[in-house]
Amino acid sequence: AQTVTQSQPEMSVQEAETVTLSCTYDTSESDYYLFWYKQPPSRQMILVIRQEAYKQQNATENRFSVNFQKAAKSFSLKISDSQLGDAAMYFCAYYTGTASKLTFGTGTRLQVTL
Amino acid sequence: KAGVTQTPRYLIKTRGQQVTLSCSPISGHRSVSWYQQTPGQGLQFLFEYFSETQRNKGNFPGRFSGRQFSNSRSEMNVSTLELGDSALYLCASSLGQSVDYGYTFGSGTRLTVV
Repeated sequence: AQTVTQSQPEMSVQEAETVTLSCTYDTSESDYYLFWYKQPPSRQMILVIRQEAYKQQNATENRFSVNFQKAAKSFSLKISDSQLGDAAMYFCAYYTGTASKLTFGTGTRLQVTL
Repeated sequence: KAGVTQTPRYLIKTRGQQVTLSCSPISGHRSVSWYQQTPGQGLQFLFEYFSETQRNKGNFPGRFSGRQFSNSRSEMNVSTLELGDSALYLCASSLGQSVDYGYTFGSGTRLTVV
């Protein structure tokens, strides 16, 4: 079974600084997708960034970028120039067409301080 | 365009009762998935519907059921509620043909069983 591990329950970063959230996963599949979702207190899960496993190039969305290491099954999220609005729970998620569902990690709570 | 709409936002039920939650996906999206989020178990997949057919089901007891209508709106039902069913129930919609665009989530229904 696929599993997703987020080993950092909480992280803190100062405004304007950079922070990296870790995620590892376990799978025997070769074709899959990886996602980072953000869940603010409003509860809605918001897609931050996605990565297709067949693409070697790391995905980037404005201040958010990933470091995708397929062989190591690692998928970390880097947030640059952190803003107060980035404070939220961040979930790493994995998807394959075989399972046809998202498998989530346990989340990392990110605090942004002044 | 309108996002994923879940109703109601909050619900309080008594143990033994049943409850129905509603999810209206983004216009044009044919796939609706349901997830349960609890502090102890995290985010767990309940089921997915595509074009009125259940395409995938998670590891939940038969008290949890769902359906999808011809307009893609979905409902999930929980019968004989237990205290452990207290959770945030999230609905997510996607085009259903590819996960390239990820899933768009609603703000959830917070169910409290007393």
